[in-house]
Amino acid sequence: SQTIHQWPATLVQPVGSPLSLECTVEGTSNPNLYWYRQAAGRGLQLLFYSVGIGQISSEVPQNLSASRPQDRQFILSSKKLLLSDSGFYLCAWSPGHSRETQYFGPGTRLLVL
Amino acid sequence: AQKVTQAQTEISVVEKEDVTLDCVYETRDTTYYLFWYKQPPSGELVFLIRRNSFDEQNEISGRYSWNFQKSTSSFNFTITASQVVDSAVYFCALDYTGGFKTIFGAGTRLFVKA
Repeated sequence: SQTIHQWPATLVQPVGSPLSLECTVEGTSNPNLYWYRQAAGRGLQLLFYSVGIGQISSEVPQNLSASRPQDRQFILSSKKLLLSDSGFYLCAWSPGHSRETQYFGPGTRLLVL
Repeated sequence: AQKVTQAQTEISVVEKEDVTLDCVYETRDTTYYLFWYKQPPSGELVFLIRRNSFDEQNEISGRYSWNFQKSTSSFNFTITASQVVDSAVYFCALDYTGGFKTIFGAGTRLFVKA
């Protein structure tokens, strides 16, 4: 069966510091991968999605970036965090080459102070 | 434009009551998929159901049931005999032909009191 991991689970970072959140998927090959952000008490905002290694589509212009160095690894980064980057970050995967259900990881709670 | 509206921000019920969560969607596509996800306090989104636009049959899974009506562009979710463990935020979502993107509604927070 497939599983999706995210770490860290929680993170407190000062404004201006860098960020690296990692997401990995097990038990599948060539998945579509997604990064979402959920601000406190709000819905999900799609940040990035990837259909393959090195292929990243950005949905919202911001100071965040994403990379996919390996088939089942998706990384969310920032060079300098802003207060507004605080939120709950969710990674999701869906079977590649099809429009299937997205399955979500446990999420990372980021607080920027 | 693609859009999902969950007009109910919060609902509070007493255990064993039935509750319906509303979802209205907008899309010009004839082929699309609708989803419901549950987000318990732990934060992880749990997939509940996926329905394609050509299948208007209602579905029942235990205490959960879904009513899909294309005529009103609605995909409502009913929990029968609610339980405290049903307390969560529920999201309705739309996946349309335009790509590998899913549009989520703002969510409905359900409180079930003992």
